[in-house]
Amino acid sequence: QSALTQPASVSGSPGQSITISCTGTSSDVGGHNYVSWYQQHPGKAPKLMIYDVTSRPSGVSSRFSGSKSGNTASLTISGLQAEDEADYYCSSYTSSRIYFFGSGTKVTVL
Amino acid sequence: QVQLVESGGGVVQPGRSLRLSCAASGFTFSRYGMHWVRQAPGEGLEWIAVTSSDGRLKYYADSVKGRFTISRDNSRNTLSLQMNSLRAEDTAVYYCAKEFSDYTGFDYWGQGTLVTVSS
Repeated sequence: QSALTQPASVSGSPGQSITISCTGTSSDVGGHNYVSWYQQHPGKAPKLMIYDVTSRPSGVSSRFSGSKSGNTASLTISGLQAEDEADYYCSSYTSSRIYFFGSGTKVTVL
Repeated sequence: QVQLVESGGGVVQPGRSLRLSCAASGFTFSRYGMHWVRQAPGEGLEWIAVTSSDGRLKYYADSVKGRFTISRDNSRNTLSLQMNSLRAEDTAVYYCAKEFSDYTGFDYWGQGTLVTVSS
């Protein structure tokens, strides 16, 4: 078992858009649409931002969007704001009925 | 409102056991799958176990299979994690998390409880 692959860090200026990738295999990310994304601020519990690849839970800003192509899912943050600075993790259900998290991406707002 | 409150963490010697609990409120506990996720200090999230809404199905990450047991008591709205043969690498903050819907992700998380495995 191994974590899904994410870039260690991504940065952008306020107002810009950034995209975080999450690469897995056909047994997880590529095998179905059960990919979710989480935001975690230091010392806090993770917060669900995207589920089922593209859906946003109630209360999550429309600046956050998700997509998928093949074995790679992506999270895009548009109109980057200072409060978006956090760690982001993807997660996927797998054909083995377990779950993987991504390695995590630190987003820095310049 | 939904609340998940973990308890039971602490310092334990390698090879010993510890039992974590998660008290749930604010939703119909018996309708949702429940998970345990952990995070080692300074590291990323690691999913470790899930139990189905009725407790009949349970799945584990390879890193804890055979050592950890997830269980639930729907009459008491409580999720548990029995951890045996603990190792230094099990040191982490342990979160319980509610499943949003089947397989879709985790929409509510507890505040976490710290387990430190050290002699």
